[in-house]
Amino acid sequence: DADVTQTPRNRITKTGKRIMLECSQTKGHDRMYWYRQDPGLGLRLIYYSFDVKDINKGEISDGYSVSRQAQAKFSLSLESAIPNQTALYFCATPDRGSNQPQHFGDGTRLSIL
Amino acid sequence: GQNIDQPTEMTATEGAIVQINCTYQTSGFNGLFWYQQHAGEAPTFLSYNVLDGLEEKGRFSSFLSRSKGYSYLLLKELQMKDSASYLCAVRDEQGGKLIFGQGTELSVKP
Repeated sequence: DADVTQTPRNRITKTGKRIMLECSQTKGHDRMYWYRQDPGLGLRLIYYSFDVKDINKGEISDGYSVSRQAQAKFSLSLESAIPNQTALYFCATPDRGSNQPQHFGDGTRLSIL
Repeated sequence: GQNIDQPTEMTATEGAIVQINCTYQTSGFNGLFWYQQHAGEAPTFLSYNVLDGLEEKGRFSSFLSRSKGYSYLLLKELQMKDSASYLCAVRDEQGGKLIFGQGTELSVKP
């Protein structure tokens, strides 16, 4: 299994603040994904990356940016946070192989006041 | 467009069998995954189907019909700890992105 670590686990901040969520994985996998989860809406893809410096938009990328400067790390930024970005955020990475599932970090609960 | 449908909630009795259905309409298909998620925790992988038929793994089984755009997750001998949300997700053909349904909240009653 990929060992995926997210920091922080919880964050409360104010509207307009810049926030960075960190994700790191220890298995050297190429692909990494950021999702957000809202009640009743399931998980929605924000951004994904296939390798260092490779960035691809997902379903709901507006208001977010990402950075992949190293294979093990994939950071998600909210440049100017707004209350409707309050959600549970998950990072994920799949094992190598065509049928391998994505493994998720423990999540970051973000509240924007 | 991309659409994955699951029932929002289900209730079942401890020791019984429950079937959670998932229908999908996606522009591409490269496998279907089922995840279990307890409240406030990360989703954990349960099963994977890419060919038609049934995959069995202990108390859990998953079925896929690609022609019908349909899958189900079957949970046998239900236990209280099976109370959780069950997520159906389709992987697209490009980039391995997962498209998730909204999840089915299963409550197991004594």
